[in-house]
Amino acid sequence: AQSVTQPDIHITVSEGASLELRCNYSYGATPYLFWYVQSPGQGLQLLLKYFSGDTLVQGIKGFEAEFKRSQSSFNLRKPSVHWSDAAEYFCAVNQAGTALIFGKGTTLSVSS
Amino acid sequence: KAGVTQTPRYLIKTRGQQVTLSCSPISGHRSVSWYQQTPGQGLQFLFEYFSETQRNKGNFPGRFSGRQFSNSRSEMNVSTLELGDSALYLCASSSWQVGVGANVLTFGAGSRLTVL
Repeated sequence: AQSVTQPDIHITVSEGASLELRCNYSYGATPYLFWYVQSPGQGLQLLLKYFSGDTLVQGIKGFEAEFKRSQSSFNLRKPSVHWSDAAEYFCAVNQAGTALIFGKGTTLSVSS
Repeated sequence: KAGVTQTPRYLIKTRGQQVTLSCSPISGHRSVSWYQQTPGQGLQFLFEYFSETQRNKGNFPGRFSGRQFSNSRSEMNVSTLELGDSALYLCASSSWQVGVGANVLTFGAGSRLTVL
């Protein structure tokens, strides 16, 4: 069965420090890959997506993610975290015509 | 372009009642998906509608149902509410069409349902 694993439930980083959020997937074929962010009381906002081609994709708010087929991973990175990045982050996968499957999410806290 | 609009944003019901939630997709989007979000189970897929037809369905009991109208607006209904139905219900729309690339979802702010 298809699944998405985000190993870290909660991460705390200092403001200005770099960030990496991990995501591993189990899927029959290379899926489409997404990262969404959710602020408290809000819906989900798309940060970036990977369909094919260059394995390093750029998103909004200075985020990027790298697709590694050999590791079935799609980790999210940001070189310098801002306090406003504190939120919950979700990795998700699907294929054409199938439902989007989400990981359990990683809560990011930013310390000053 | 207006985003995905969900109404109501908050509601409180008691066990055994039923509830209907509404979702207006982005103009031109014909696909609408519904998700349930709870602290314990995370984001779980309920169903997806495309051009008034249910295309995909998640693993939820028959108490959960939905429909889509000709203007792409969608409603979901939960009958005989249980305490465990308390959740944030998220609607998302996309412009996905059969055979054309990935289904990129744009989410609404959600409807927060509390069952007492």
